[in-house]
Amino acid sequence: AQKVTQAQTEISVVEKEDVTLDCVYETRDTTYYLFWYKQPPSGELVFLIRRNSFDEQNEISGRYSWNFQKSTSSFNFTITASQVVDSAVYFCALRGEIQGAQKLVFGQGTRLTINP
Amino acid sequence: NAGVMQNPRHLVRRRGQEARLRCSPMKGHSHVYWYRQLPEEGLKFMVYLQKENIIDESGMPKERFSAEFPKEGPSILRIQQVVRGDSAAYFCASSPFGAGGTDTQYFGPGTRLTVL
Repeated sequence: AQKVTQAQTEISVVEKEDVTLDCVYETRDTTYYLFWYKQPPSGELVFLIRRNSFDEQNEISGRYSWNFQKSTSSFNFTITASQVVDSAVYFCALRGEIQGAQKLVFGQGTRLTINP
Repeated sequence: NAGVMQNPRHLVRRRGQEARLRCSPMKGHSHVYWYRQLPEEGLKFMVYLQKENIIDESGMPKERFSAEFPKEGPSILRIQQVVRGDSAAYFCASSPFGAGGTDTQYFGPGTRLTVL
């Protein structure tokens, strides 16, 4: 079975601090895809990134960076110099290549609050 | 290029009534997915459809729930004889390619169903 665990239920930091959101996954597929989505207070789900299992390069996009470690089955998300607008619930998700290839399996989410 | 459209955004029903949720995929997308988000939980896959076909309904409750994606018009998620436990946010997503590859699901704003 596929599973995504986001152990941090809630994180609260002060603006400009760096913050890392953890994501650990389980899958038996050799090829799979990992995603991060942001759910701001308005409720919609915003796609942030997709990472393929065969590409272990880390990625940076502005203040956002992602650290993919296949050896520990983790795909962590770091926000540098956080801002109040980063406050949201962040979901990590997994999609396999073989088992139920279409469906996304989501973690429980991490509620991030950035205080001014 | 409009994103995924869902309506209504908010829906209130009394126990025993029917709820109909609509989803129009992004232009050029022919794959539609429905997910449910119960309060304070992550999203759970319900069903995957292509035009006129249900591809995977492994996440759908066995009774009262049905989905369709007709040749013309939006995808519909239908809940008959709603109960309080159906209160949740229902998200629709669409993607261009379907299973495998670099396919990414883009989400609509969701429909918040409240059952009184």
